[in-house]
Amino acid sequence: KAGVTQTPRYLIKTRGQQVTLSCSPISGHRSVSWYQQTPGQGLQFLFEYFSETQRNKGNFPGRFSGRQFSNSRSEMNVSTLELGDSALYLCASSLGGVGGYQETQYFGPGTRLLVL
Amino acid sequence: ELKVEQNPLFLSMQEGKNYTIYCNYSTTSDRLYWYRQDPGKSLESLFVLLSNGAVKQEGRLMASLDTKARLSTLHITAAVHDLSATYFCAVGFNAGGTSYGKLTFGQGTILTVHP
Repeated sequence: KAGVTQTPRYLIKTRGQQVTLSCSPISGHRSVSWYQQTPGQGLQFLFEYFSETQRNKGNFPGRFSGRQFSNSRSEMNVSTLELGDSALYLCASSLGGVGGYQETQYFGPGTRLLVL
Repeated sequence: ELKVEQNPLFLSMQEGKNYTIYCNYSTTSDRLYWYRQDPGKSLESLFVLLSNGAVKQEGRLMASLDTKARLSTLHITAAVHDLSATYFCAVGFNAGGTSYGKLTFGQGTILTVHP
């Protein structure tokens, strides 16, 4: 079974630009979560999508947004990039539990974003 | 707000020795996860612990969960160099169904195993 894939793997942008990152979950997984990893703040939850709906959102500014398509693929967008947005962006997929049940999240390789 | 704290944050071990990484969390949770991350790589799932007293073992790693103490441990037995990595615990917290897909991670423990 293919794992979670993310594209692109590396990205260099300049301040003020915007960027779109893509995530394809494991086949059959309907939930996609996004995380930002930085040396200073560690791993922080951005948002989670299930069946094209955002179910949960972390404490990030509105410049960070996402969406999910009918095939469960997800994209996240960061507008007006700042230097502090340089990070490894990880997406994770899971089956997407009902009734509050949470399964193991399987992580993709990440997109490393550098903002200059 | 859920807080997850690991200790130690840095662990330098000799091969063949035993040690334990601790993960404390601040609020009742229904799931506790352990992940491993190699430098420059993504996170690999190691264990998911579902209930009080749960114990899981894989090779030289054993994880346990005490929900009353809000504590999980990752015990390393007879460490080998291949175990060198960063280990994260993460907590899934269900508050009336509003925490779907959200894991709160500890700071990570950087483990280095020396010959």
